[in-house]
Amino acid sequence: GNSVTQMEGPVTLSEEAFLTINCTYTATGYPSLFWYVQYPGEGLQLLLKATKADDKGSNKGFEATYRKETTSFHLEKGSVQVSDSAVYFCALSEPGYSSASKIIFGSGTRLSIRP
Amino acid sequence: DVKVTQSSRYLVKRTGEKVFLECVQDMDHENMFWYRQDPGLGLRLIYFSYDVKMKEKGDIPEGYSVSREKKERFSLILESASTNQTSMYLCASSFRGPIPNTGELFFGEGSRLTVL
Repeated sequence: GNSVTQMEGPVTLSEEAFLTINCTYTATGYPSLFWYVQYPGEGLQLLLKATKADDKGSNKGFEATYRKETTSFHLEKGSVQVSDSAVYFCALSEPGYSSASKIIFGSGTRLSIRP
Repeated sequence: DVKVTQSSRYLVKRTGEKVFLECVQDMDHENMFWYRQDPGLGLRLIYFSYDVKMKEKGDIPEGYSVSREKKERFSLILESASTNQTSMYLCASSFRGPIPNTGELFFGEGSRLTVL
C-alpha cells in the first residue's frame, strides 16, 4: 500500500543552522505531496505542497522538491529560528481516488531549535 | 479564515463509557475526517465523510463510529471507551476540489482523551 517514511526525531539544531528533514514515499501513480507543521498546543497546518514531479513547494523559508526518480520530498531551510520548533509531518494524497482522497501521514519529526 | 472547532480540548473518561467528540467547520467543506495521533505512529485515519450522511472507514475504524447529520458537523463516537483509545483526536475538513486531490486539510486543535 501507499506509505510515507520520514526521518525519526527528535532533531535538535542551533539557531541559524541548515535544516533537512528526509521524507520518502511509496505510491502507485502520481500522488500530491505535502509538509504539515504542528506548533505546540495547536492542530496541524499546511506548510507547503507539490502536485507533480519536479515541482518545488515553498513557504516561510522552507522548501521541498518533488523527486519522482528518488520518490522523495525532503524538507529544507537554510537558516532555522527558534520559532520553527515544532513537529513536521510529511504526507501524500493517494492518487486515483475521488476528491475525498485519503491523506497518508508520516510519523512526524520533532524539531527543537536552541537559541 | 477557515475554522475547525473541536468541542473539548481535554476529556477524562472511564472504561466502558460512551464518548462523543464533536467537530464543527465553518467553511462549507464537503469532506471531513477524524484522525488519531499517537507518538511514533503519526496520524492514522479513523473515518471520513465526503457528504452529509455519508461515511467511509479509514485505516483504524474498529471501536469507533461517526455521524454526519449536517454538513458542518462530524461527530466521532466511542461506544464503549477502552484504555487503548487514550489518544489525541484530530478533526479535519477540506474542500472537494478537482481530481486528483491537491486539497489542503484544515485541522482543529485536537481533543486529548484519557480513558481510565
